[in-house]
Amino acid sequence: EDQVTQSPEALRLQEGESSSLNCSYTVSGLRGLFWYRQDPGKGPEFLFTLYSAGEEKEKERLKATLTKKESFLHITAPKPEDSATYLCAVFKGAQKLVFGQGTRLTINP
Amino acid sequence: DTGVSQNPRHKITKRGQNVTFRCDPISEHNRLYWYRQTLGQGPEFLTYFQNEAQLEKSRLLSDRFSAERPKGSFSTLEIQRTEQGDSAMYLCASSSTGSGEQFFGPGTRLTVL
Repeated sequence: EDQVTQSPEALRLQEGESSSLNCSYTVSGLRGLFWYRQDPGKGPEFLFTLYSAGEEKEKERLKATLTKKESFLHITAPKPEDSATYLCAVFKGAQKLVFGQGTRLTINP
Repeated sequence: DTGVSQNPRHKITKRGQNVTFRCDPISEHNRLYWYRQTLGQGPEFLTYFQNEAQLEKSRLLSDRFSAERPKGSFSTLEIQRTEQGDSAMYLCASSSTGSGEQFFGPGTRLTVL
C-alpha cells in the first residue's frame, strides 16, 4: 500500500534559523511529488512539483529536493509569515493525490 | 478571483440531516476532485471527475455520499443522514488535462452535532 510519512510532526524555529522538513514515501509508479502550504482554516496552497530524483525547485526561502525514497523541503532564514502546515503528496497518474499528515511549522520572532 | 471557490464555507447541522456542498473549479480545468481532511491529518481522496464523468471513488465514499458534476462545470457533494464522524473539512480541487498539479479551494467546514 502506498504510504507517505512526514517528519517531524511539528517544528518550532527562531526567526532566521534554517531547517529541513522530510517527506518519505513508499509508492510504486511515482509520477510526481507535490509540496503544499496550508494555513489554519484554509485550503492547501500549491508550492512545488518534483518529477524525478535529483530535481530541485526554489521559491523565495523554500527549496524542495527529491530522491528515490524521500523529499526535503529546506527553509532558509525563515520569517514568522512562513509559519504554516506543510504537506507533501505523491501522484501516481491515477489522478488522486496521496498526502502525508503534514509538518506544522512555527517560526518565532 | 479565478481560483477554486466553495460554498458554504461553514455548515453546522444536526445528526441525521442531509447537507450539500458546492465547488466551482478554475474555469479552464476539466478535472475536479473532492477530498476530506480531519484535524491534524492530510487530505484524503474521496472522488474525481473528468468533465462530467465520475471516474474514481474512494472506499471512504459510503453510500450516504454522492457527488455530481452536471455539464462538466461546478460540482456538488451531498451527504445524507449525516453522522458525527462526518465532521471534517471538505476540500475541492481542480486541474487541467495532463497536469498533476491540483489547485485547492478554501474548503467547507462541516460540523455535525
